[in-house]
Amino acid sequence: ETGVTQTPRHLVMGMTNKKSLKCEQHLGHNAMYWYKQSAKKPLELMFVYSLEERVENNSVPSRFSPECPNSSHLFLHLHTLQPEDSALYLCASSRGMGQTNYNEQFFGPGTRLTVL
Amino acid sequence: ILNVEQSPQSLHVQEGDSTNFTCSFPSSNFYALHWYRWETAKSPEALFVMTLNGDEKKKGRISATLNTKEGYSYLYIKGSQPEDSATYLCAHQPNSNSGYALNFGKGTSLLVTP
Repeated sequence: ETGVTQTPRHLVMGMTNKKSLKCEQHLGHNAMYWYKQSAKKPLELMFVYSLEERVENNSVPSRFSPECPNSSHLFLHLHTLQPEDSALYLCASSRGMGQTNYNEQFFGPGTRLTVL
Repeated sequence: ILNVEQSPQSLHVQEGDSTNFTCSFPSSNFYALHWYRWETAKSPEALFVMTLNGDEKKKGRISATLNTKEGYSYLYIKGSQPEDSATYLCAHQPNSNSGYALNFGKGTSLLVTP
């Protein structure tokens, strides 16, 4: 176990639905991340939060809305998604930059999302 | 090289074979190189973080080398076992001024059959 949990593990939703993905880390880390993995593509960084502030947003469509209420929890709110948004969504955490850990990231198992 | 490239894309070996695969990354703007092991339906698990040219790291039967001048890293598995079957990801970390980014390759998928 990596100390990062994600729920749900699988999600099927229609294009008009609103759903949320949840991530929780039990490692005392300061930074949390959302990644997307589509078939045949590398992991793509979506959002980064450090100490509950969003520090990176890699041109992600507004139908994906992150929320970080505290340093242990990260959400990804989904609304009016498209079928091409079907992918594996991974959460990760790290101690954060400025320390000698070279930003080693610890991943959750992911949520497999299917948009119909 | 602008992106992180991994080869081969997939590999199928027999139990007991030794194998290796390659990660190529931009040699300029280098801070660290990460290797992850990702079994199906599980979380990617960190194997190594490598930072210095000539670094060699080892964990059991798995080892890795790093050449930052030419921009490549090799991952070696000695005497592969079925439990080594996984996707092996490498990630290039640009220098610390770039923030938090890890740029991942597509991975090498390894299947070890008895």
